[in-house]
Amino acid sequence: GAVVSQHPSWVICKSGTSVKIECRSLDFQATTMFWYRQFPKQSLMLMATSNEGSKATYEQGVEKDKFLINHASLTLSTLTVTSAHPEDSSFYICSAKGGAGPYEQYFGPGTRLTVT
Amino acid sequence: GIQVEQSPPDLILQEGANSTLRCNFSDSVNNLQWFHQNPWGQLINLFYIPSGTKQNGRLSATTVATERYSLLYISSSQTTDSGVYFCAVGLWETSGSRLTFGEGTQLTVNP
Repeated sequence: GAVVSQHPSWVICKSGTSVKIECRSLDFQATTMFWYRQFPKQSLMLMATSNEGSKATYEQGVEKDKFLINHASLTLSTLTVTSAHPEDSSFYICSAKGGAGPYEQYFGPGTRLTVT
Repeated sequence: GIQVEQSPPDLILQEGANSTLRCNFSDSVNNLQWFHQNPWGQLINLFYIPSGTKQNGRLSATTVATERYSLLYISSSQTTDSGVYFCAVGLWETSGSRLTFGEGTQLTVNP
């Protein structure tokens, strides 16, 4: 099956600093990548959708200036949490799919962010 | 947007028992996936099943798109089946590739 990696697996940062999370599709070209956020004991909430070479589309209520998404190539997307605050602490998960259509999405292992 | 409802929210089984998890959705879909989230948070793809029936080992799934539900069957459950099972749906024509997740079913299999 298709493999998606994320780096780092976990990160602790101080309030006010920025953190970058990488998402890579290892064995396929991802035309579209997605970023989700998950709080403990809750479901996944879609934050944004990005297509290679285009600006990301953010879901309602997600601050695009706080959560910067770059999809620079067909195998790499990055999420940068800028000026992080403790309420940004969460589990961030990316997914990716190839092709243009309602195809299967494959998920990364997630990144646990703790802001102190 | 599409509403997704999963039931039951919690399920506790003895090892070896069978179970059925249900996913109801409020509108037409042409994308439906079942996932298992393990204790470390990784989502594992179980089925991509916008319609029809599929089987993979002890797991099988059926989606009846016209009646807007999908079922996930787990037979002869094992302790390693424990975790959260999510159903996620989407409709390409209105939502593009976006998936809407249900709240999940927390499954606990006791030895």
